[in-house]
Amino acid sequence: QLVLTQSPSASASLGASVKLTCTLSSGHSTYAIAWHQQQPEKGPRYLMKLNSDGSHTKGDGIPDRFSGSSSGAERYLTISSLQSEDEAEYYCQTWVTGMGVFGGGTKLTVL
Amino acid sequence: EVQLVESGGGLVQTGGSLRLSCAVSGFTFSSYNMHWVRQAPGKGLEWVSYTSSSSSTIYYADSVKGRFTISRDNAKNSLYLQMNSLRDEDTAVYYCARGGSFMDVWGQGTTVTVSS
Repeated sequence: QLVLTQSPSASASLGASVKLTCTLSSGHSTYAIAWHQQQPEKGPRYLMKLNSDGSHTKGDGIPDRFSGSSSGAERYLTISSLQSEDEAEYYCQTWVTGMGVFGGGTKLTVL
Repeated sequence: EVQLVESGGGLVQTGGSLRLSCAVSGFTFSSYNMHWVRQAPGKGLEWVSYTSSSSSTIYYADSVKGRFTISRDNAKNSLYLQMNSLRDEDTAVYYCARGGSFMDVWGQGTTVTVSS
């Protein structure tokens, strides 16, 4: 059973950088994931697909401030030069044949 | 501009039925696989169902299997979710999303409230 684990919350100051983590469960360390952002009261927005080797493909219009990286079973989303509109819930997501899987989400607070 | 617009949500009694629609524009709908994803109040995202571009492959989450039916009409650029035997725990915002393994475009959602 593939499980994606995310910390429930994170915080960082305006203008700073933050690194969010999504951990793949044992035996699934080679899976690619996607990162999605959900601002308050809005639908989710696709940020990027992130491969196990750290290569990533961003969605249309996603700023360069958003980047991804990988290490083993961990997938990271780094947001630099934090802006107030980055305050949102961030979800990782993957696909196992026949089923979509989401992490529990990380609520990012911009201080 | 790529757009997905859901409709059909509302208040329904426990055990009732509802049909959601997702109208798409700005891309060749018939070439893309599609998903339904839901979000219960105050909770995270939950994948619900998937259909391939030709409807030849369809999957459901265990929580809705046997009660929900996904379908599409490529001539009408529309995706549907027929929801029967609704339960209180089906209360959520329902989103349609484009994509195969990864959802790369999302709608704004339609709210379904199930109450006795």
